[in-house]
Amino acid sequence: DIQMTQSPASLSASLGETVTIQCQASEDIYSGLAWYQQKPGKSPQLLIYGASSLQDGVPSRFSGSGSGTQYSLKISSMQTEDEGVYFCQQGLKYPWTFGGGTKLELK
Amino acid sequence: EVQLVESGGGLVQPGRSLKLSCAASGFTFSNYYMAWVRQAPKKGLEWVATISTSGSRTYYPDSVKGRFTISRDNAKSSLYLQMNSLKSEDTATYYCARHTMGNYFDYWGQGVMVTVSS
Repeated sequence: DIQMTQSPASLSASLGETVTIQCQASEDIYSGLAWYQQKPGKSPQLLIYGASSLQDGVPSRFSGSGSGTQYSLKISSMQTEDEGVYFCQQGLKYPWTFGGGTKLELK
Repeated sequence: EVQLVESGGGLVQPGRSLKLSCAASGFTFSNYYMAWVRQAPKKGLEWVATISTSGSRTYYPDSVKGRFTISRDNAKSSLYLQMNSLKSEDTATYYCARHTMGNYFDYWGQGVMVTVSS
């Protein structure tokens, strides 16, 4: 199975700050990566797919990049509503696996 | 608007069975693969099962293979998860999700809690 490792496990950011979350796959996943946001008490929401494509309705301050085994999610200007837990997920190979999550809080 | 509404969760004893349902609306259900994804309390996400559009193909991780069965009724726009021989480690919120061609999950239900305990 492909293992997905996220870093950091948690971070805090000020309003307007740029935030970057990392995700490393245990093997090359050829940009088969998605990012999800989960707010407290809510279900996950797809933000990014194919490593860099923005899902419809997601604010443009979110962006994804990377290739091979290394990927990142960037929030260009932290907003209050961006607090939550972020997960990466590989879609290349079955079984489809998720990272452990990164908890983002407002400083 | 895409809506996925799960039901059927609850408290069940180890070794017993439970069946979850998911009612879909707002899209052509029969055109999409569908999936179940779970989240243990305060933990991360784990994909649990996927079913093809016709129901002829199903996929499971080793952790539930042989115990869980995913099925669908396209006429009723409904998805199901039959869970047998339940273990304490199956305790989680179970989400119904739409499974895209890229193997991502683009819409999720609100989730249903399953607690396995004596």
